[in-house]
Amino acid sequence: AQKITQTQPGMFVQEKEAVTLDCTYDTSDPSYGLFWYKQPSSGEMIFLIYQGSYDQQNATEGRYSLNFQKARKSANLVISASQLGDSAMYFCAMSLSNDYKLSFGAGTTVTVRA
Amino acid sequence: NAGVMQNPRHLVRRRGQEARLRCSPMKGHSHVYWYRQLPEEGLKFMVYLQKENIIDESGMPKERFSAEFPKEGPSILRIQQVVRGDSAAYFCASSLGPRLAGSDEQYFGPGTRLTVT
Repeated sequence: AQKITQTQPGMFVQEKEAVTLDCTYDTSDPSYGLFWYKQPSSGEMIFLIYQGSYDQQNATEGRYSLNFQKARKSANLVISASQLGDSAMYFCAMSLSNDYKLSFGAGTTVTVRA
Repeated sequence: NAGVMQNPRHLVRRRGQEARLRCSPMKGHSHVYWYRQLPEEGLKFMVYLQKENIIDESGMPKERFSAEFPKEGPSILRIQQVVRGDSAAYFCASSLGPRLAGSDEQYFGPGTRLTVT
């Protein structure tokens, strides 16, 4: 089974600064996808960004970028120019390319301070 | 174009009662997945269904939990004789096909928060 580790339970960041959320994963399968989701206090799961294991470039979506280091099995999320609305729980998840299940990490709570 | 819909959004049950959670997938999606999120934890896969078939229920507790996705109507997650430990958020997701070939092919609903008193 795949294992996702998020070691930072909570982080504080100043508005307009960047924040990096750590995620490491463990799989022996060469083909997989990595996802980040945001869960605000309202509870819904919002997809942010995706990285395929064979993608040559790091994924970016607006203020979100994924720092993918395949050899280290890490997929850190970088949020640039933090906004108050970024305060939420962030989950890293993975799925093997021939599978449908998403395996989630325990999450990191981000609090953006004005 | 409506997304994945779940109802109710909040459900309170007393110990021993039954809980029925409904999920209507996105239009055109015939693959449904249920996940459970216990307090302060990430989501855990429970079951994967296609229309009228359970494909993978490896994450479902062996007793009291069942799921169905009939030919007509929403997918139902049913929890019989609820206990306090069942209190959690239950998320449904749907997809067009069975594989996560990339991107956000699995779309999540808003979740149902079950509280057992």
